[in-house]
Amino acid sequence: QKEVEQNSGPLSVPEGAIASLNCTYSDRVSQSFFWYRQYSGKSPELIMSIYSNGDKEDGRFTAQLNKASQYVSLLIRDSQPSDSATYLCALSNSGYALNFGKGTSLLVTP
Amino acid sequence: GAGVSQSPSNKVTEKGKDVELRCDPISGHTALYWYRQSLGQGLEFLIYFQGNSAPDKSGLPSDRFSAERTGGSVSTLTIQRTQQEDSAVYLCAISLGGRDQPQHFGDGTRLSIL
Repeated sequence: QKEVEQNSGPLSVPEGAIASLNCTYSDRVSQSFFWYRQYSGKSPELIMSIYSNGDKEDGRFTAQLNKASQYVSLLIRDSQPSDSATYLCALSNSGYALNFGKGTSLLVTP
Repeated sequence: GAGVSQSPSNKVTEKGKDVELRCDPISGHTALYWYRQSLGQGLEFLIYFQGNSAPDKSGLPSDRFSAERTGGSVSTLTIQRTQQEDSAVYLCAISLGGRDQPQHFGDGTRLSIL
């Protein structure tokens, strides 16, 4: 079982809608969770970090963490075409390296 | 990007040649990581440097891969006797250290092995 699972998508949402991106993980000792955005041909860019159960909001982005169910999600409100990208879920557990999912491709249509 | 410079941005070389990739971080970031991203694959950890501690080399795929970090700053990743499966984007990331610190990526080096 892969450590970090994401639906590859593409997830298509209309402009102005809420995009919901999900990530599940297998290692219960995972402590720190990150969402990165990666535009085609570019490097990953950090969007959010979350460390404790519950919601964390930053502008149009909300990260949600549920350690008991071993999932972390990212909500993007008022989605814009510029949000179209691949979103990578990453976590750290016993080591310092991040374990990445393969990413979910998001397409926001005008 | 994000306070870390990588060079070259693109490298094309023939199979069997050695290549050296460079990562130059801004000061103050004690932790430095190398990852690679192959087409259709997730980011794969290669190696981690933290201060003066011995590097974590657990992600290096073979003994053809090596890396060093001089003076706690610039890092070079060397791939000897390159193979076509080494073709990927090699990304350097920096952080302030610690498992809870987010990592920030450079723009990467796109390596193509002919």
